[in-house]
Amino acid sequence: AQSVTQLGSHVSVSEGALVLLRCNYSSSVPPYLFWYVQYPNQGLQLLLKYTTGATLVKGINGFEAEFKKSETSFHLTKPSAHMSDAAEYFCAVSVRGSTLGRLYFGRGTQLTVWP
Amino acid sequence: KAGVTQTPRYLIKTRGQQVTLSCSPISGHRSVSWYQQTPGQGLQFLFEYFSETQRNKGNFPGRFSGRQFSNSRSEMNVSTLELGDSALYLCASSAGPGDRDGYTFGSGTRLTVV
Repeated sequence: AQSVTQLGSHVSVSEGALVLLRCNYSSSVPPYLFWYVQYPNQGLQLLLKYTTGATLVKGINGFEAEFKKSETSFHLTKPSAHMSDAAEYFCAVSVRGSTLGRLYFGRGTQLTVWP
Repeated sequence: KAGVTQTPRYLIKTRGQQVTLSCSPISGHRSVSWYQQTPGQGLQFLFEYFSETQRNKGNFPGRFSGRQFSNSRSEMNVSTLELGDSALYLCASSAGPGDRDGYTFGSGTRLTVV
């Protein structure tokens, strides 16, 4: 089974500081990789995804993530945090080429942004 | 285009009752999956439907069931509700199972069992 680990259940940064949220997966074959954001009392919104091609992917709201196969990682970054970035972030994977639709999620990282 | 629509948004039920939640996927999407989200267990996969067939199922008791209709709309049912079933239930749709474009989620149904 796929496994996704998000290091740090809570991350706090000051407004304008770098945001770094960590995600590692366990799979012998690189999966499809996703980052989702969840605001209070809402569903999950897709931030960005990696399926193939360029390993540095850009998403919405200034976020980007880099797929590193050797490190089995897909860390999410944003150069300058904004108050509106405060939310919970989930890393997820799906099995590449699978015909069974399923996402495997990490436990989430709550991002707090201080003024 | 319209997103994934889940109804109702909020629901309060009593232990022992049953409940039905509804999900309308994005137009043209044929795969619908369901997840349960709780503070203690995080996001857990319930099941996935494609072309009216359940193709994948998570580790939940038989009290949790679902179905998909010919228009791709899906319902999930929980019978004999327990306090531990209180959760946010999320529905996600995709063009097909394992779609590399990913999954679009609805806003969820918040179920409270009292």
